[in-house]
Amino acid sequence: DTEVTQTPKHLVMGMTNKKSLKCEQHMGHRAMYWYKQKAKKPPELMFVYSYEKLSINESVPSRFSPECPNSSLLNLHLHALQPEDSALYLCASSQSASVTYEQYFGPGTRLTVT
Amino acid sequence: GQSLEQPSEVTAVEGAIVQINCTYQTSGFYGLSWYQQHDGGAPTFLSYNALDGLEETGRFSSFLSRSDSYGYLLLQELQMKDSASYFCAVSKGDTGRRALTFGSGTRLQVQP
Repeated sequence: DTEVTQTPKHLVMGMTNKKSLKCEQHMGHRAMYWYKQKAKKPPELMFVYSYEKLSINESVPSRFSPECPNSSLLNLHLHALQPEDSALYLCASSQSASVTYEQYFGPGTRLTVT
Repeated sequence: GQSLEQPSEVTAVEGAIVQINCTYQTSGFYGLSWYQQHDGGAPTFLSYNALDGLEETGRFSSFLSRSDSYGYLLLQELQMKDSASYFCAVSKGDTGRRALTFGSGTRLQVQP
């Protein structure tokens, strides 16, 4: 099983809402990532978890709050977002943080903030 | 700082060969990866070069020259399904804090 799943596929939320994005992998990977991707732009790293611990936070605003409940699951909690946060949010995993060069991506959650 | 440069668009015909170049400037470099992303899809890993030379995987090959901070992705026998965006990405950072930084992407259009 080389699949990374993400839910929901689409999300529309107001600026005062609280929502969560979910990501799951069952490949036994010990590194998981959140990326933000705007149209016609490359994925932009937000967070890296290695062995369920946050190892990299790319100066992401606190309205984005990651959580790694266990080695298979990664959540991104959203609160008080801005319209400019509308984007495709991609989750990825790799065997370990040392094998970061080969990442498996989920299909993404397309987020619209109104 | 760090930067990766690749052409924004490339057009080629079915059956042809196309080369997508990537130059990078970064400290703590470990290797160069290539990813493919179809419109509306997720990035998919294609290849990785940590050492100088050519890596071949089917119709796709990737090359790295560390001394020139340069690499390329070579796609042979182009098919319509190869129309997609291609990203080079550098792997850098200390153990436990290693991450990928993606180039801006090259949009490949394969014409009949």
